[in-house]
Amino acid sequence: RKEVEQDPGPFNVPEGATVAFNCTYSNSASQSFFWYRQDCRKEPKLLMSVYSSGNEDGRFTAQLNRASQYISLLIRDSKLSDSATYLCVVNEEGYSGAGSYQLTFGKGTKLSVIP
Amino acid sequence: DGGITQSPKYLFRKEGQNVTLSCEQNLNHDAMYWYRQDPGQGLRLIYYSQIVNDFQKGDIAEGYSVSREKKESFPLTVTSAQKNPTAFYLCASSMAGVDEQYFGPGTRLTVT
Repeated sequence: RKEVEQDPGPFNVPEGATVAFNCTYSNSASQSFFWYRQDCRKEPKLLMSVYSSGNEDGRFTAQLNRASQYISLLIRDSKLSDSATYLCVVNEEGYSGAGSYQLTFGKGTKLSVIP
Repeated sequence: DGGITQSPKYLFRKEGQNVTLSCEQNLNHDAMYWYRQDPGQGLRLIYYSQIVNDFQKGDIAEGYSVSREKKESFPLTVTSAQKNPTAFYLCASSMAGVDEQYFGPGTRLTVT
């Protein structure tokens, strides 16, 4: 059975802190990995794609460790606006770009950034 | 503005009634998807369609039906056979050959 497991959270951190989330996936042949952000009662929005050895976008860094089958998301200098649930998403079918209908979503990790 | 629209935002129905949720996109995406999200749960795939006039069942298709008569539209019908229809329903789309999916704002369906 396809599984994507995330830290259960919630993470409550002060403004300016650095916080890291981890996610593990079950299929070693998976090729595509993503982090989505979901605000309360809203739709998920793509935050970052993680395709090879990792990806960085401003304060956000995503890392992929294929040997251990986990992905991490690091947020530096946390802002109040970073408060949301972060979803780890994996294409578990072992191929990339052939149709993403087999995306598997983790249950999410809730982050609250406190003033 | 390009994007995905879902309507209505909130929907209330009585048990035993079928209800159709709308999803429209003007992104010229080939693939479209329907998911449901329950509190504390990950998104679960209901149906997906990669081209017009073709669609496939996802993990939890029982009690749902879809059609894909136009590239930009992928309506979902929640039938009376769906045992627990109350949920947050999300429609998504993606370009052919690309894994990233983009979501509409969702419809919250409550069945009493």
